[in-house]
Amino acid sequence: AQSVTQLGSHVSVSEGALVLLRCNYSSSVPPYLFWYVQYPNQGLQLLLKYTSAATLVKGINGFEAEFKKSETSFHLTKPSAHMSDAAEYFCAVSDRDAGNMLTFGGGTRLMVKP
Amino acid sequence: EAGVAQSPRYKIIEKRQSVAFWCNPISGHATLYWYQQILGQGPKLLIQFQNNGVVDDSQLPKDRFSAERLKGVDSTLKIQPAKLEDSAVYLCASSFRIELAGGLGGNEQFFGPGTRLTVL
Repeated sequence: AQSVTQLGSHVSVSEGALVLLRCNYSSSVPPYLFWYVQYPNQGLQLLLKYTSAATLVKGINGFEAEFKKSETSFHLTKPSAHMSDAAEYFCAVSDRDAGNMLTFGGGTRLMVKP
Repeated sequence: EAGVAQSPRYKIIEKRQSVAFWCNPISGHATLYWYQQILGQGPKLLIQFQNNGVVDDSQLPKDRFSAERLKGVDSTLKIQPAKLEDSAVYLCASSFRIELAGGLGGNEQFFGPGTRLTVL
């Protein structure tokens, strides 16, 4: 079964600093990959997704992620953190023969210090 | 465009009681998902419907959980009887139709705000 590992359940950065949230998946066949953001008391919102086009994927709010097959990784980055980026971030994968079912990582809470 | 609607937003019950959650997906979305999100964890898929048929319910605890989508639009998830460990947020999501033959996917899932269940 597919699994997703998000290193670091909590990440703290200063406003204006680089944001790096890590995600590794277990499948030997490149799956579909997603990053979702969850603000308090809200549902999940899609930031970006990788489905087999360009390996560098740009999403909303200035976030981007790079698919690296050799490292089975899909890390999320943003050059300059903003206070409004404080939220919970989830990496998710869907096998290409799994009918769109998502497996989520445990999440990373991003805190942004002024 | 209206998003995924869920009700109630919050529910507090005692263990062994029953509870039901309702979800109305985005208009035109054939596929509907129910997830359980325990505090501090990522969402876990409970059941997936396409129209009124079940695609996958392998992680649904069928001794106490049930779900239906009779007319292929809105859906209800029921817990009977509830246990303390059922305390969680129950998220509903929907997406455009997936092609089951060939397993194409990659469709974005749109999530509702969730129902926070507390079992005392």
